[in-house]
Amino acid sequence: EAGVTQFPSHSVIEKGQTVTLRCDPISGHDNLYWYRRVMGKEIKFLLHFVKESKQDESGMPNNRFLAERTGGTYSTLKVQPAELEDSGVYFCASRNTGRNSPLHFGNGTRLTVT
Amino acid sequence: GDSVTQMEGPVTLSEEAFLTINCTYTATGYPSLFWYVQYPGEGLQLLLKATKADDKGSNKGFEATYRKETTSFHLEKGSVQVSDSAVYFCALSGTQGGSEKLVFGKGTKLTVNP
Repeated sequence: EAGVTQFPSHSVIEKGQTVTLRCDPISGHDNLYWYRRVMGKEIKFLLHFVKESKQDESGMPNNRFLAERTGGTYSTLKVQPAELEDSGVYFCASRNTGRNSPLHFGNGTRLTVT
Repeated sequence: GDSVTQMEGPVTLSEEAFLTINCTYTATGYPSLFWYVQYPGEGLQLLLKATKADDKGSNKGFEATYRKETTSFHLEKGSVQVSDSAVYFCALSGTQGGSEKLVFGKGTKLTVNP
C-alpha cells in the first residue's frame, strides 16, 4: 500500500510569490488533514477534509491560504502571496473512516520564503 | 483550549542510557494521547498511544502511561540506541471545532551517541 505522498519535498520562493503544495492521500481514505510546523514550534492543525468537503478549517491562518480537494482525491494547498512567516514544514495526513483509524502522515513539504 | 507541553530539547544521550521525555496536557474531556516520532528525512510515525486513564502504550521498547491524576504521558525507554535519534512529539486528540484533530507539543530532539 502506497503511503501519503507530498510534492514537492522542498520549495524555496521569494516573498510575494505563489506556491502550491500537493498531497496524495492513501487510496480510499476519506479524511485528509493539513498541519504545519513553523520552526521550533508546535505542529499545528490547518484544516480537515472529508472527501471533497471542508469539515473544519479553523486552523487556516488567513485568506492567503487556499486548500482544495478535487473529487475527494488529492489535495492542494496554495499560498498566495507568500510571506516570510509562512516558512515551515507542511504535513499532510490521511485516515480511513472510523474513530480509531490510525492517521498516516506524509514526509512533509519544507517551504522557505525569502 | 487543549494544549500539550513537552520537555524542551535537545536531549543528548549515550547508547544504552535511560530516556525520559516529559509530557503534560490540558484538555476538556478524555482525550486519547499519542507519541509520534520523526526520523531524519521522514514523515511523522505513530510510536505509541493510550486511549484511557491508566492505559500503557508501548512499542519498540518505548513506554508511556496515561496518568489522568497528573495529566501526564511521559515517554520512557530503558536503553536507547543510536537508531532512536529522532524528534519526538507528544500529542492529544481533541474535538474542538467539530473535527477530531491532533494537538501537538513542540517536539523534543533526541541524539544518541555511540
